[in-house]
Amino acid sequence: QLQLQESGSGLVKPSQTLSLTCAVSGGSISSGGYSWSWIRQPPGKGLEWIGYIYHSGSTYYNPSLKSRVTISVDRSKNQFSLKLSSVTAADTAVYYCARDNPRYYAAFDIWGQGTMVTVSS
Amino acid sequence: EIVMTQSPATLSVSPGERATLSCRASQSVSSNLAWYQQKPGQAPRLLIYGASTRATGIPARFSGSGSGTEFTLTISSLQSEDFAVYYCQQYNNWPPTWTFGQGTKVEIK
Repeated sequence: QLQLQESGSGLVKPSQTLSLTCAVSGGSISSGGYSWSWIRQPPGKGLEWIGYIYHSGSTYYNPSLKSRVTISVDRSKNQFSLKLSSVTAADTAVYYCARDNPRYYAAFDIWGQGTMVTVSS
Repeated sequence: EIVMTQSPATLSVSPGERATLSCRASQSVSSNLAWYQQKPGQAPRLLIYGASTRATGIPARFSGSGSGTEFTLTISSLQSEDFAVYYCQQYNNWPPTWTFGQGTKVEIK
């Protein structure tokens, strides 16, 4: 059973860089033709897709965040990571990693449990 | 950018009744439409993909329909565990982007 687990800093100061990692267990990040996304949810609000990385390393980001986002993959550790620079209070959210399944019309079939990140001085 | 609009924002339903949730896309998304259920403090759970196919383990009381720009999620007989927030989500092939609706909260009447 594939599982995803987010980890990283829960408190980030304004203007600094948010860094999170998603560890993949129960399967290889490089197999199956899947892509791996980051999605966030501000408190009491809806879901926003941040960006994705394919196992090959190709990436695509939400245009609204593109200038501040970097997603990378470490196949040796079976994990992928998110960096979001120049954060403000508006970036306070629960951050999820998720897998999209091309056999499911690219729906997100597996999610991590989420990690809360607060931007505050 | 494709915008997804869900209605209503809140739906009050009694247990055992039918719930009908709507999702509209600002342009055609074909059948690249999914529905998720989210309970407080939990990650979203995939219910429906391809507009009408139930994900593994999802009860038959959940059904999806529609294509193009108009989609519906129907819960035929609400159980206590179904009270939650539901999101629709579209996938665009190129550029590859995913967009969620703002959610519909199904609450106990």
